[in-house]
Amino acid sequence: EDQVTQSPEALRLQEGESSSLNCSYTVSGLRGLFWYRQDPGKGPEFLFTLYSAGEEKEKERLKATLTKKESFLHITAPKPEDSATYLCAVRRSGGYQKVTFGTGTKLQVIP
Amino acid sequence: EPEVTQTPSHQVTQMGQEVILRCVPISNHLYFYWYRQILGQKVEFLVSFYNNEISEKSEIFDDQFSVERPDGSNFTLKIRSTKLEDSAMYFCASSRDTNSPLHFGNGTRLTVT
Repeated sequence: EDQVTQSPEALRLQEGESSSLNCSYTVSGLRGLFWYRQDPGKGPEFLFTLYSAGEEKEKERLKATLTKKESFLHITAPKPEDSATYLCAVRRSGGYQKVTFGTGTKLQVIP
Repeated sequence: EPEVTQTPSHQVTQMGQEVILRCVPISNHLYFYWYRQILGQKVEFLVSFYNNEISEKSEIFDDQFSVERPDGSNFTLKIRSTKLEDSAMYFCASSRDTNSPLHFGNGTRLTVT
């Protein structure tokens, strides 16, 4: 069974204080690893897809990286509007459509 | 930018009643999904749908649940006889193919009383 573990569960940062969120995964052949942002009462909003170890993607203050066992979401100089829950998810290879989510990291950025 | 739309945003029903949750996926997407999120818990897979049939389902998706694509644009989730534990946010999602990410709607909050 695919497993996704995210840490920490919650993170409180001062505005401008950079940090990283961790996603450890176990999957029988990785087809893709996805990062999403979820605001309260809303659906997950897609951020990045990573397909193979060593791959990196960037968008504004966010940068996602991937190894064979984990992924990191690096947040550089965060702003209060970056406050949200960040979700990691995996899809296994072999034609499967199901995407399995972790429990998320709730990020709060204090002005 | 195209998006997934879900209606209603909030549904209140009594235990034992049937509910239908509706979704309009992104128009050029071929794969459709339902997920649920119980308050404070993770987003859980229910079912995926491709080419007018269920392609994968979880153990949560038992005989009380069904999905349908009644026309070229809508995708529905029916819960036949709701239970208190069905109270959750239900998210519809779609993807272009099995390499692409899922794009989610903003959910229907189902409250069973």
